[in-house]
Amino acid sequence: QKEVEQNSGPLSVPEGAIASLNCTYSDRGSQSFFWYRQYSGKSPELIMFIYSNGDKEDGRFTAQLNKASQYVSLLIRDSQPSDSATYLCAPSGANNLFFGTGTRLTVIP
Amino acid sequence: DAGVIQSPRHEVTEMGQEVTLRCKPISGHNSLFWYRQTMMRGLELLIYFNNNVPIDDSGMPEDRFSAKMPNASFSTLKIQPSEPRDSAVYFCASSLGLAGVQETQYFGPGTRLLVL
Repeated sequence: QKEVEQNSGPLSVPEGAIASLNCTYSDRGSQSFFWYRQYSGKSPELIMFIYSNGDKEDGRFTAQLNKASQYVSLLIRDSQPSDSATYLCAPSGANNLFFGTGTRLTVIP
Repeated sequence: DAGVIQSPRHEVTEMGQEVTLRCKPISGHNSLFWYRQTMMRGLELLIYFNNNVPIDDSGMPEDRFSAKMPNASFSTLKIQPSEPRDSAVYFCASSLGLAGVQETQYFGPGTRLLVL
């Protein structure tokens, strides 16, 4: 059973702050790690993915991966109210993705 | 690019009825995925296809669920007979290849199913 653990939240941060979203996974064979954002009532959409240990930056978003610790995180800098959503962590298996239940983020204006 | 298309967007049915959900993947994509999302269990993979062939259906909850992909541009997920516990949002997603090789999955808008 491949498990993906995320703090369900809600995580509340003030506008302009850094939001830190964390994810741990059980499958050591996972090679790629995807972060999806899902607005209420909408479908998941990809924010970014990472496959190498370390940091990967894309605009206000930074993904961090530590395969030895089986840990992946997403940092959102200068958080905006429009970032309020559920963030899903998805490590890859051999042929598909395994989604966590997500962390609900609320950015307070 | 029209994205992944799903129909219907909403479905309300009575217990025991047959339900058919439809999906048209993005043109040129070779993999198609069916997911179910509930508050309690999150996003669960039900089945996925590659080049129209089912690769893994281990997520299909029971024999009441079946999925087909007769061609590269169409897939169906059928529930017969439906039960109230099947109420959920069903998403279809497609990708160029297999997600294990860093392929992004693009999700359709989902079908909200309510079984009374």
